[in-house]
Amino acid sequence: DIQMTQSPSTLSASVGDRVTITCRASQTINTWLAWYQQKPAKAPQLLIYKASNLEGGVPSRFSGSGSGTEFTLTISSLQPDDFATYYCQRYNSYPWTFGQGTKVEIK
Amino acid sequence: EVQLVESGGGVVRPGGSLRLSCAASGFTFHDYGMTWVRQVPGKGLEWVSAINWNGGSPGYAESVKGRFTISRDNAKNSLYLQMNSLRAEDTALYHCVRGGGYNHLDCWGQGTLVTVSS
Repeated sequence: DIQMTQSPSTLSASVGDRVTITCRASQTINTWLAWYQQKPAKAPQLLIYKASNLEGGVPSRFSGSGSGTEFTLTISSLQPDDFATYYCQRYNSYPWTFGQGTKVEIK
Repeated sequence: EVQLVESGGGVVRPGGSLRLSCAASGFTFHDYGMTWVRQVPGKGLEWVSAINWNGGSPGYAESVKGRFTISRDNAKNSLYLQMNSLRAEDTALYHCVRGGGYNHLDCWGQGTLVTVSS
């Protein structure tokens, strides 16, 4: 199975910081990658699909890039509402897999 | 408004069975693949199973293959997960999610909690 490795596991940042989260696939997945945000006691929400496409209603400070095996999620200017856990997920073939998550904490 | 409402969770003994249901509304159900994702409280997300729009080509995580069966009834706008031979490690919150095949997961239900314990 294709594994997804996210880094870092935890990230401490301040409001206004530029934040980058990386996701690496153990084999190429083209651009079949999504990013989700999850807040405590809430269901995850889709942010980015097909590696770089912003889901409707998601603020433009979120962006995604990459293809093949390396992908990034960038928050251009961190806002208070962005402190959450972020997951990448590949969906090129079954079984799908999620990264282990990156928790963005207040510095 | 898209809504996905799961039901059927509960407490079951190891080796037991449960059937989860997901009632979908607010969109054309038969146009979409559907997926189950689970999450142990405080832990990460784990993809469980997915099915395409017409009930074909199901996929399963290795951890549930041979024990869980996904199905759907497009006439009832419903998704199901039959879970047999349950183990303690199946304890989790199970989310019904819109998306499958080559489609991302764009709408999530709030989940139904399954606890496997003696």
